Amino acid sequence: GAGVSQSPSNKVTEKGKDVELRCDPISGHTALYWYRQSLGQGLEFLIYFQGNSAPDKSGLPSDRFSAERTGGSVSTLTIQRTQQEDSAVYLCASSSFPGGDSGNTIYFGEGSWLTVV
Amino acid sequence: SQQGEEDPQALSIQEGENATMNCSYKTSINNLQWYRQNSGRGLVHLILIRSNEREKHSGRLRVTLDTSKKSSSLLITASRAADTASYFCATPYNQGGKLIFGQGTELSVKP
Repeated sequence: GAGVSQSPSNKVTEKGKDVELRCDPISGHTALYWYRQSLGQGLEFLIYFQGNSAPDKSGLPSDRFSAERTGGSVSTLTIQRTQQEDSAVYLCASSSFPGGDSGNTIYFGEGSWLTVV
Repeated sequence: SQQGEEDPQALSIQEGENATMNCSYKTSINNLQWYRQNSGRGLVHLILIRSNEREKHSGRLRVTLDTSKKSSSLLITASRAADTASYFCATPYNQGGKLIFGQGTELSVKP
């Protein structure tokens, strides 16, 4: 596609429910990132997929969070048993492999706004 | 762990003035990037500076990099109201593919 596409753009869920957030990266981009941004805060790294390598999951805040990337393209971030502190914007980004170190620009989607009530 | 930190956290200026934002980082890097975020939107790449460069220009943007001090600055000259946004620096973590962002500087340009 022309850009990084994320869905849903907005999601309100009840505490304790599971949510799935989807990211469709730019075609041909092999690196994919998930970040979280709380209101008025900076970006918190969550997970990084790099080609066929094992993902860097070092930023996932708890075992309630997981992500997968199927076929090297679309990614899904799953949050189980949501808590109110999970409320944030979840931003997905993609870049040409290998991403940051080579100086490749990363391109962001518009984010999925999650509100847990 | 936090890699980049910007200061100031917030900056308010009049249209036409220059805006300077600073970023400090902790580890050795091959490059540093600056991004802009309009309220509630995704981030947009502005400019990249490599570790062997000291200064780079793009339109009204000027970026400097001092690897000895592990710091960078972003200067926006002749600011406009449309420059109102948050600005973030980003660096590769441990010279890998992962990009780590700072907390951002919130710039407000008043007409």
